Amino acid sequence: DIQMTQSPSTLSASVGDRITITCRASESISTYLAWYQQKPGKAPKLLIYEASSLESGVPLRFSGSGSGTEFTLTISSLQPDDFATYYCQQYNGYSYTFGQGTRLEIK
Amino acid sequence: EVQLVESGGGLVQPGGSLRLSCAASGFTFSSYWMHWVRQAPGKGLVWVSRIKSDGSGTTYADSVRGRFTISRDNAKNTVYLQMNSLRAEDTAVYYCAKGGRGSFYWFAPWGQGTPVTVSS
Repeated sequence: DIQMTQSPSTLSASVGDRITITCRASESISTYLAWYQQKPGKAPKLLIYEASSLESGVPLRFSGSGSGTEFTLTISSLQPDDFATYYCQQYNGYSYTFGQGTRLEIK
Repeated sequence: EVQLVESGGGLVQPGGSLRLSCAASGFTFSSYWMHWVRQAPGKGLVWVSRIKSDGSGTTYADSVRGRFTISRDNAKNTVYLQMNSLRAEDTAVYYCAKGGRGSFYWFAPWGQGTPVTVSS
């Protein structure tokens, strides 16, 4: 199975900061990568699909990049609503694997 | 509006069974693959199973293969997860999620989740 590794596991930042979360795949997944945001007690919400396509309704401060085995999620200017846990996911056809999550907390 | 509503979770003893349901609305259910994903308390997301749009094909995570069965009723716009031989490690919130028109698709949206607790 394809393994997904996110870093960092926890990130402390302030409102207005620019932050980047990295996700690495154990083998190439082309651009079959999505990013989700999850808040406590809530279902995950899709932010990015196909590595860099912004889901409808998601603020433009979110962006994704990468291909092959290395991917990033960037939030250009953190807002109070962005403090949550973020997961990457590969969907390379047969199985679907999530990263372990990155908890974004207020500094 | 696309909506997914899970039900059927609860407390069950080890070795017991439970059937989860996920009622879909707001889209052409019979055209989309559907998935189940679970999240143990305080842990990350783990994909469990998927079913093709017409129900002709299913896939399972190694941890549940042989114990769980996914199915769907396109007339009722509902996907199911039959869980047998439940173990303590199956304790989690179970989410259903809408996939795409094939296997290479992301999940959106997700239902609100239904909690399953396996304990004596």
